[in-house]
Amino acid sequence: RKEVEQDPGPFNVPEGATVAFNCTYSNSASQSFFWYRQDCRKEPKLLMSVYSSGNEDGRFTAQLNRASQYISLLIRDSKLSDSATYLCVVLTGGFKTIFGAGTRLFVKA
Amino acid sequence: DTEVTQTPKHLVMGMTNKKSLKCEQHMGHRAMYWYKQKAKKPPELMFVYSYEKLSINESVPSRFSPECPNSSLLNLHLHALQPEDSALYLCASSPPGSTGELFFGEGSRLTVL
Repeated sequence: RKEVEQDPGPFNVPEGATVAFNCTYSNSASQSFFWYRQDCRKEPKLLMSVYSSGNEDGRFTAQLNRASQYISLLIRDSKLSDSATYLCVVLTGGFKTIFGAGTRLFVKA
Repeated sequence: DTEVTQTPKHLVMGMTNKKSLKCEQHMGHRAMYWYKQKAKKPPELMFVYSYEKLSINESVPSRFSPECPNSSLLNLHLHALQPEDSALYLCASSPPGSTGELFFGEGSRLTVL
C-alpha cells in the first residue's frame, strides 16, 4: 500500500463547478498535512496547510479526518486558472515529506 | 517568483560526465531538500539537510552526491549517471519549525544521454 494515495483523475469540470479531492495516508503517526498545486512543467507550490479543525482560504477548503486517515480539498466556483495537478503531502516524521501521486484538474469554459 | 534559485535550468550530460546542480536560498531556512521528479509522477525525496548536516538519504545511488557548503547553498554532484536518471531535479527549503512547508526552486531538467 502506498503511503499517500490519491485518485489521479483527471477531473474535468465546467467553470463555476464545485470539485472535491480526497487523499488517504497509511501512517497513523503522520504529523502535518498539506495541499500543493503544480502547473505543467512548473515546480510545486504550497496551496494550504490542513488542520484538524478544517480551514478555508477563499474558495478553497481543506479538511483532515485523523480517525479515517484522509484529507480533502474542496474548490468552489472553479476558475479556468484552477486547472493544475493537486498534490496531497504528508509529513510522516522529522523532515520526511511524502507526496501523493497528484490529482489532475481541468476546468473548462 | 521563487526565492529558491536553481542552476542550471537545463543540463544534458553523457554517462561518463561529472556535473553539479546548484541551489541557493536567502530566506534563512535551515532545512534544504533534493527531490527527483519524473514526468507525470510526484516528486520523490532524495536528500534532506538540516543545519548543514545530512538528515535523510532515501537510499539514493552513490552516483548522486549531495553537499551543503553553508546554510544558503545546496549542491548535487552527478557522476556516471544512467539514462533513467533523466528527470526534473527540484531543490526546496523549509523554514524553522515548519518542515512541511516547502519552498521549491524551478528545478533543473536533466537529460542523460
